[in-house]
Amino acid sequence: QKEVEQNSGPLSVPEGAIASLNCTYSDRGSQSFFWYRQYSGKSPELIMSIYSNGDKEDGRFTAQLNKASQYVSLLIRDSQPSDSATYLCAVSPLGGYALNFGKGTSLLVTP
Amino acid sequence: DVKVTQSSRYLVKRTGEKVFLECVQDMDHENMFWYRQDPGLGLRLIYFSYDVKMKEKGDIPEGYSVSREKKERFSLILESASTNQTSMYLCASRTGGEDEQFFGPGTRLTVL
Repeated sequence: QKEVEQNSGPLSVPEGAIASLNCTYSDRGSQSFFWYRQYSGKSPELIMSIYSNGDKEDGRFTAQLNKASQYVSLLIRDSQPSDSATYLCAVSPLGGYALNFGKGTSLLVTP
Repeated sequence: DVKVTQSSRYLVKRTGEKVFLECVQDMDHENMFWYRQDPGLGLRLIYFSYDVKMKEKGDIPEGYSVSREKKERFSLILESASTNQTSMYLCASRTGGEDEQFFGPGTRLTVL
């Protein structure tokens, strides 16, 4: 069973702070990694993808990947109340068709 | 922009009815997926298709079937709806490579 693990939260951070979301995965052959944001009652939307070890920045978002430790994270700088959502980590399995998803971390940004 | 559309946002059906959920994508993706999402259980894969007329069971296929007669369209069928199939149903599509999955807006199905 290919597993993707996330803390369910809720993770509560004050407005303007850095939110740090973490994810571990079990399939050592995985090559691509994604972070989705899902607002309540809506479908997941892609916010970041990362394929190589290291950091990838896009605006206020930074994805970090460490394949040796089988660990991927998402940092959200200058968190805003509009960032309050559930964040899903997804991993592409080697030779597979469908992404493996974690259950998500609920983030609450308080004004 | 990739677009995945689903036939209904909200649907209410009665126990025992046959239910069809339709999904269409406009980016020529090979792979299409049906998930259900329930609180605390995350996204669970029901069925997927990697080509026209090809289908594979996911993690929870019981009580469901699928059809893919055209590349852009993937249908989920509940042969005899039951109350435990009340859920949010999400369709997604993906290319054959290492790219992301794109989700439709979802159908919230209530079975009474």
